[in-house]
Amino acid sequence: DVKVTQSSRYLVKRTGEKVFLECVQDMDHENMFWYRQDPGLGLRLIYFSYDVKMKEKGDIPEGYSVSREKKERFSLILESASTNQTSMYLCASSSPGTGTGANVLTFGAGSRLTVL
Amino acid sequence: GQNIDQPTEMTATEGAIVQINCTYQTSGFNGLFWYQQHAGEAPTFLSYNVLDGLEEKGRFSSFLSRSKGYSYLLLKELQMKDSASYLCAVRRNTGFQKLVFGTGTRLLVSP
Repeated sequence: DVKVTQSSRYLVKRTGEKVFLECVQDMDHENMFWYRQDPGLGLRLIYFSYDVKMKEKGDIPEGYSVSREKKERFSLILESASTNQTSMYLCASSSPGTGTGANVLTFGAGSRLTVL
Repeated sequence: GQNIDQPTEMTATEGAIVQINCTYQTSGFNGLFWYQQHAGEAPTFLSYNVLDGLEEKGRFSSFLSRSKGYSYLLLKELQMKDSASYLCAVRRNTGFQKLVFGTGTRLLVSP
């Protein structure tokens, strides 16, 4: 069964801490994404990557950075966590192209981050 | 930019049919996706439309009208397990083909 695995299901951090959220996929997908999901706002794209060492800003990149050193792993970094970054973070991956199967996102189970 | 609208919440009865609408305004439209998300779980892919018309998959069907910027997800023979949020997402054909999601429709199925 194909999988996107997020390392932590629940985290509690303090304001100013550096936070790492790890995501690993076993589908050999080129594309990987980090979204955050908040009530009433839906899923919003933070960063994405279409290849190793490549990264692109999504719609809300401020306060975040990412790292993709290996194809299967995509990390989200909060350099200095703030309370407004309390959210559910979802990692996803997909294969490229324009056909039906392309861009079908496979999501991880999510990481619920609380910043105190 | 783009704007994707869905109703916030809907209720229906077990065994009934429900239609969840999604309207969008976007440039470079290149496909519309529906995802299902149960509470506390990851979204899972339901359907994809890029051409006008109806795509049927068992109890679920999805319809697209590109000229009207409109899609709907039709759920038949509702079951309690269909209680979930349903997310509409649009793919744009501008550079990297990322998806933009609506805020989702929470469906509650009652006995």
